[in-house]
Amino acid sequence: EPEVTQTPSHQVTQMGQEVILRCVPISNHLYFYWYRQILGQKVEFLVSFYNNEISEKSEIFDDQFSVERPDGSNFTLKIRSTKLEDSAMYFCASSVVLAKNIQYFGAGTRLSVL
Amino acid sequence: KQEVTQIPAALSVPEGENLVLNCSFTDSAIYNLQWFRQDPGKGLTSLLLIQSSQREQTSGRLNASLDKSSGRSTLYIAASQPGDSATYLCAVQGNQFYFGTGTSLTVIP
Repeated sequence: EPEVTQTPSHQVTQMGQEVILRCVPISNHLYFYWYRQILGQKVEFLVSFYNNEISEKSEIFDDQFSVERPDGSNFTLKIRSTKLEDSAMYFCASSVVLAKNIQYFGAGTRLSVL
Repeated sequence: KQEVTQIPAALSVPEGENLVLNCSFTDSAIYNLQWFRQDPGKGLTSLLLIQSSQREQTSGRLNASLDKSSGRSTLYIAASQPGDSATYLCAVQGNQFYFGTGTSLTVIP
């Protein structure tokens, strides 16, 4: 069964460093998403992406964050200068269309900022 | 801003029991509502999606209902099994996506 894959599974970084989290969505999906879940808290929407541009973003997704689809398969989330409070589980998801189809989630990348 | 609440926060039941998980949301202007399952340290698995025009969806032992006007959804699990033990999340989609706090379910053999 097709699945969303995320790499790495765990990323450790120093505060102030840039990190790139990588995702390979399901191949025929057109919408891509990033979420985060701080330990013990709700899953929070960060951004949705369609047709090579951001379609929606939350207030969390500030100038420190960016997304890119650098090629036909990868979808990346970049955090420019990590803060301690960026430590969280980051989930990528994809769906065929925006509102009518279920979202398929990856297993997540645990980001630890020291 | 949309607020999604789930009750109870935790639930423990003996195997075989039927159970209901509740989700409420404050803004009825949604496209759909989805129920997910999250296992410890894992991603989210979509269980059921209900479009805003629908009242319920069923998959196997799971049945989800949606009352958009009152801002409520329920997830009914029939004949619970130990393998159902997980955290169950509901999420509503408007312009953005909002998740609830989750219900941690333990099914005791």
